Amino acid sequence: EAQVTQNPRYLITVTGKKLTVTCSQNMNHEYMSWYRQDPGLGLRQIYYSMNVEVTDKGDVPEGYKVSRKEKRNFPLILESPSPNQTSLYFCASSPLTRTLYLADLAEAFFGQGTRLTVV
Amino acid sequence: AQKVTQAQTEISVVEKEDVTLDCVYETRDTTYYLFWYKQPPSGELVFLIRRNSFDEQNEISGRYSWNFQKSTSSFNFTITASQVVDSAVYFCALSGLTNAGKSTFGDGTTLTVKP
Repeated sequence: EAQVTQNPRYLITVTGKKLTVTCSQNMNHEYMSWYRQDPGLGLRQIYYSMNVEVTDKGDVPEGYKVSRKEKRNFPLILESPSPNQTSLYFCASSPLTRTLYLADLAEAFFGQGTRLTVV
Repeated sequence: AQKVTQAQTEISVVEKEDVTLDCVYETRDTTYYLFWYKQPPSGELVFLIRRNSFDEQNEISGRYSWNFQKSTSSFNFTITASQVVDSAVYFCALSGLTNAGKSTFGDGTTLTVKP
């Protein structure tokens, strides 16, 4: 079954304690992305990756790191979490359009979400 | 920079009413894609439609229709004869050729359809 798997689904942690949210896809998609969703603010892109070893900042990258060492995995790392990073996080993957090398969000698969609380 | 504005934060209608959700976008790209997603109370994101910047034809899919107007940078979404199951948060999103991987979502419109 084609899917994007995020772990954990729920996490409560304390300020400053490093954590990693994993994201894995089984569709051989080139493109992967992380978003955070906060009430009234929609989805805001944190980081994205167009392919292995290629990552770029989205609109809200501060306080986050990512890596793309293999095509299927795109972990989100919070080196020193703070309460303002309490949010619902989504990972997504999609193929790239063949002609434009553009993320084809029409074909995007989203993970189930990770609800993170930093106290 | 690109931006998506969904000015309607919340809309409430009674079943069978028609409702239009507005989406206005800004981009300097001439090549871009626009999307609509639905997020029901269960939380998953459901793709509804993609439109590329070269195709201004309106689209109809059952009770759903979309009106794309480049002249006003708008991509509005209409639900005809709304149903309770249409209750959800709806997001409009934009992805442009410059910074090809960058996607921008609007803040979303929460639609409540009352029986």
